[in-house]
Amino acid sequence: GESVGLHLPTLSVQEGDNSIINCAYSNSASDYFIWYKQESGKGPQFIIDIRSNMDKRQGQRVTVLLNKTVKHLSLQIAATQPGDSAVYFCAENSGAGSYQLTFGKGTKLSVIP
Amino acid sequence: DAGVIQSPRHEVTEMGQEVTLRCKPISGHNSLFWYRQTMMRGLELLIYFNNNVPIDDSGMPEDRFSAKMPNASFSTLKIQPSEPRDSAVYFCASSLADTGGAMRRYFGPGTRLTVL
Repeated sequence: GESVGLHLPTLSVQEGDNSIINCAYSNSASDYFIWYKQESGKGPQFIIDIRSNMDKRQGQRVTVLLNKTVKHLSLQIAATQPGDSAVYFCAENSGAGSYQLTFGKGTKLSVIP
Repeated sequence: DAGVIQSPRHEVTEMGQEVTLRCKPISGHNSLFWYRQTMMRGLELLIYFNNNVPIDDSGMPEDRFSAKMPNASFSTLKIQPSEPRDSAVYFCASSLADTGGAMRRYFGPGTRLTVL
């Protein structure tokens, strides 16, 4: 089965509100996590990543939180905009080599204008 | 800066035909990945190249699939013969395999393949 999963397959958020997308992982040995955004008809777009020696990392309007105790990862989007509507994937490295990334099935974020 | 370039963007073919998908990675990147995306299985890694050498092709479904990387700026994924179950979106991604960026890979726009 999937080692990376998502709590919510769909999420609807009012424009201007903050969004939180959650991700659970099962491999306690994973030491790198990454979030991608995929808009309809496009390839996954890198958003932000975090290594396991960190609990939090911030980007532009996005924050990733890592809780290794419960093996949980979240992506927070501040002041959600219509352009944020997409499917968001989390991924973890899960193999011996640095190239191994296991992707979750994705969460669809819909922004209500 | 140009991102990963893939061609064609859409391909419709009949069962039994040969299909060739093309990819130009980001200049300077030394790792290249081919993925397949379907609703049922999500994103699946097919093959990984490092410095033009195939490192891991365990994700290639069967002998009908083959991939080459003759130089640092070009790769192909070939399906011969194609079957309806090969219908999917195929992505190429590249990355710079150093300490900081080994896993931060950048995806192309994908090729949507439909096999009738």
